This record gives sequence, C-alpha cells and structure tokens, in this order.
Amino acid sequence: SAVISQKPSRDICQRGTSLTIQCQVDSQVTMMFWYRQQPGQSLTLIATANQGSEATYESGFVIDKFPISRPNLTFSTLTVSNMSPEDSSIYLCSVDGRGVEGYTFGSGTRLTVV
Amino acid sequence: DAKTTQPPSMDCAEGRAANLPCNHSTISGNEYVYWYRQIHSQGPQYIIHGLKNNETNEMASLIITEDRKSSTLILPHATLRDTAVYYCIAAPWGSNYQLIWGAGTKLIIKP
Repeated sequence: SAVISQKPSRDICQRGTSLTIQCQVDSQVTMMFWYRQQPGQSLTLIATANQGSEATYESGFVIDKFPISRPNLTFSTLTVSNMSPEDSSIYLCSVDGRGVEGYTFGSGTRLTVV
Repeated sequence: DAKTTQPPSMDCAEGRAANLPCNHSTISGNEYVYWYRQIHSQGPQYIIHGLKNNETNEMASLIITEDRKSSTLILPHATLRDTAVYYCIAAPWGSNYQLIWGAGTKLIIKP
C-alpha cells in the first residue's frame, strides 16, 4: 500500500497566521483527499485534489480559507489561512488504494491555534 | 452513502474475540461495507471491506448478513494494541464516492 509522509506532525500557531501542511506519497496517485478532525469528532472531508486541476471543496469549506496545491502526482499541500482557535484540529491527507488496501492516511497534523 | 449505526463503545478482554456490530439497513446494492480503525493520535487504518460474502484477512473477519442490513467485524484474538475507534462505512466502490465517517465504536481492550 502507499506510504504517506505528512508534515508537520503538530504545530502551535498564533491566530491570524497561516500554516501549510505537506503530504508526500511514495507512489503516483490520481486523487488526494484532505480531512479535518475536530477534537473528539469524526473525520470530515475538506476537499479532493486532482493533479492539474483545481481542488473540489465540500460544503462548508472554501478555497480562500483552505487553499490546496497539487503540483504533481505524489505531492499536495493544504494551507489553513487566517487561523482562529476554531481551526484547532487534526488535519489528515489520504489517498485511494481501494484496489486492495482501501484508503491510506497520513499520520495527521495536530494544529493548535492560540 | 447509506448511514451506518454503531454502538459508541465496547469493552473486550485481551485474548478474546472482539465482535463489533454495525447496522446499515438502507445500504444500496452497489455499496460496500468498509471498516477502518483509528488508534489514538494516528491516521485511520483500513481493515477490511466486503459486498455480500464474508471476508477474512490477516487483521480481521467481516460477516455480512444475507439481507446486507448489518455486519460484524471480528478481531479473533484481541490485544491491547487493538484499542481504537472502529468505523463502519457503507459506500460505493471508486474514488468518486467519498467516505462518510460516523462516530464509530470506541473499543477498549482490557488486560
């Protein structure tokens, strides 16, 4: 199955600033997915990122707040912009390995906004 | 995607079989049953999936009822490392269909 390297693993940020999260996959994948997991909650899909096209955002998430880049088939970034304490969450990237292994997830970025 | 219902928490003794139920009474014919788990502070991990037949792999077994309205994930010999939140998801095959994550079942394995 694919191996995902996600960084940073955690960060504490000041409100009003931005943080960029990186995901590197060890194989080429068509689609990458970004999730948010708020404290004590389940996962919510933020957006789907295809290489060479703009990301598709789910209801409640907008590009200005969560810009995504997908420059090639092995890499993607998610930026959390103009952060507030409500953005404190775990952010996860994922790729589809449904052929055999289902989706593979990165280890997550634990973000705390103060 | 069909909605799934799971008990919020379960306990199981170490070394025993852990049986985690899931109801998916509105599942469609093209929807698979997927199981994932999330160990604390880690990303979710795929466990197993099935459509109609029972499935087994090195991690677990999946038993799906004949009417496909419910299923059970079986961890045959639970260890302390199996303590996690287990998610049951019903979704069609393919990347075009997103997974809808419910609250899952918090499984606690006790020594």
